[in-house]
This record gives sequence, C-alpha cells and structure tokens, in this order.
Amino acid sequence: DAGVIQSPRHEVTEMGQEVTLRCKPISGHDYLFWYRQTMMRGLELLIYFNNNVPIDDSGMPEDRFSAKMPNASFSTLKIQPSEPRDSAVYFCASSPADRADRFFGPGTRLTVL
Amino acid sequence: RKEVEQDPGPFNVPEGATVAFNCTYSNSASQSFFWYRQDCRKEPKLLMSVYSSGNEDGRFTAQLNRASQYISLLIRDSKLSDSATYLCVVNFAFNAGKSTFGDGTTLTVKP
Repeated sequence: DAGVIQSPRHEVTEMGQEVTLRCKPISGHDYLFWYRQTMMRGLELLIYFNNNVPIDDSGMPEDRFSAKMPNASFSTLKIQPSEPRDSAVYFCASSPADRADRFFGPGTRLTVL
Repeated sequence: RKEVEQDPGPFNVPEGATVAFNCTYSNSASQSFFWYRQDCRKEPKLLMSVYSSGNEDGRFTAQLNRASQYISLLIRDSKLSDSATYLCVVNFAFNAGKSTFGDGTTLTVKP
C-alpha cells in the first residue's frame, strides 16, 4: 500500500522564483497536513485540510505561501516569491478521520539561494 | 511558554541502558498523545500512542500523567538502532485535527 507521496524530493531554486510542492495523500484519508521543519523552529504546522477544505491556515507564515487541495488525491503548497529563509524540509501528512496520528510523506528538501 | 516542551538532549547512553524522556504540555484540554520517532533526514513515524493507563510495546513504555500534564517514554535495553530523535505530540481531539509537536529529544546509543 503506497504511503504519502511527495514531489519533488529536493528542490534548489533562486530567491524570487516560484516553488510548487506536491503531495498525494493515502487513499481514503480525510485529513491532509502541510508541515515545515527547520533546526531553529522544529516542526511547524502550516495548514490542514479536511475533505479538501482548508480548516486552519494560521500557521502559513505570510501571503507568499498558498496551499490548495483541488481533489482528495492531490494538494499543492506554493511559495511565490521564494526567499532564502524559506529553506527547510516540507512534509505532507495525512490521517483518516477516526485517528489522531499522522502518516508523513518523505518530505521535500527546499533550498532557496 | 511553548505548548509542548521536551528536553532536547542529546542523551548519550551505552547499549543496554535504560533511558527516559519526559514531555510537558500546557493545554489541560488535550485529548490524545503520541510519541514519534524521526531518523536523521527522514520523516517522523509513529512510535506509539500514549494511553491514560500506560502502555507497553516491547522495550518501550509510555505513560501519561494528566494531573501534572506530562507524558513519558521509557526505553529499556537500548539498542544502537534506537538512536534517533523522539518527538512528543499532543492532540486537542481524539480524531484527526490540529496537533502540536515538541521539538524532539535526540538519543544516541553507543556501543
């Protein structure tokens, strides 16, 4: 059974460029989460969706960040324009409705030069 | 004060040692609790849930103290393969919803 799939696994870009991260949750999971992890700030929740609807985006750092979930099997996190301080590992995770634990994808390691 | 606090360590222990981690949380309304394990440059993975009555999974024992608002993880007979970062997670609902991750405690088990 496939787990959460994220792409790309690594992304190196220059400041000012648009970055799009992609996630395919586990089939049948109702919740999808986007996290960012850095050494300084640990694992931060950016936004989460329930049945494709954004529920809480209070963790999104600023307007440069946006997330969408057009259907149950796909979500994107977009950063435009990107800045060096956005460099981090971005994890997508999903959960079924009746469980509180998370299933994480392998992450996207983003470097903004 | 952070919502979930952990001693960052690092904990350096010899093989076979017993080691314990604590995690405190600030929201008394928290409903569910977990320990995750994260290996270097990998994603977090669920290690075990934490139940009010305490629970054990092989060499691992998790306990919850609601009165003092902390959870603990005990690892007995530690192995080299236990070296990782252990994340405490507190959820404000029994089902999926917003949860808070601690910053993690790093364990290194040495031969």
